[in-house]
Amino acid sequence: GAVVSQHPSRVICKSGTSVKIECRSLDFQATTMFWYRQFPKQSLMLMATSNEGSKATYEQGVEKDKFLINHASLTLSTLTVTSAHPEDSSFYICSARLAGGREQYFGPGTRLTVT
Amino acid sequence: AQSVTQPDIHITVSEGASLELRCNYSYGATPYLFWYVQSPGQGLQLLLKYFSGDTLVQGIKGFEAEFKRSQSSFNLRKPSVHWSDAAEYFCASIIQGAQKLVFGQGTRLTINP
Repeated sequence: GAVVSQHPSRVICKSGTSVKIECRSLDFQATTMFWYRQFPKQSLMLMATSNEGSKATYEQGVEKDKFLINHASLTLSTLTVTSAHPEDSSFYICSARLAGGREQYFGPGTRLTVT
Repeated sequence: AQSVTQPDIHITVSEGASLELRCNYSYGATPYLFWYVQSPGQGLQLLLKYFSGDTLVQGIKGFEAEFKRSQSSFNLRKPSVHWSDAAEYFCASIIQGAQKLVFGQGTRLTINP
C-alpha cells in the first residue's frame, strides 16, 4: 500500500517551453502533497506544499509563477514548469500524505532536462 | 529553527561489516524521526520511523535505529551490510503538528566487496 507514482520519469524539453509532471497516489487519498527538487549529490529541497482544493504554499525563493502547482483531486497533483530554462534541469520528487498522517510517501522522481 | 544533521557525507564499509549512520536533530521537543534510502535516480523509500514509545525501532531490510533523547540522535544501524545496501541515506524529522519534513544532508554509503 501507499504507492505514489510520477509521470513522466524522464523528460527533455527545449528552453522556453513548459512541461507538466504528474504525481498520483495510487491506493490512498492524499490530502497533502509535497514537491521537492534535488540537485546531484544533494539533499531534497522542499519547493511547495499543496492541499487538495486550495492554493499551494511555496517555500521562500521558489517562484510560484514559474512552478505552477495544482492539486485538483485527492489522488493527483501536478507541477508545471513554465518557460523552462536549462537551470531548471533537475530531479523533481513528489510525496503524498494521508489526512492526519505523519509520514510522507515518495514518488520515484522525474528527471527534467532543459536543452 | 528545526534542523537535521548527518555528519558523515560518505561512508565506506566492507560487505558483511556492521554499519552505523549518524543523525542529530536540533530543537527542544521530540520530533517524529525517519530514515529514508535512495538508490541512484530513484525516489525515497522509508526504512523506519520513530514517533514515540520504544526507542529502538526496527525497519525493513534488517535496519534498526535508536532514539536517544539525551544526545538528540537517531542513528541508523545494520549488523551486516550487503552490496545492495549501497545507496544514499537520508535522516528526516518533522515537528509534531507541522507539515514540513526537514531532511539531513544525506550520507552516501559505498560497500567494498
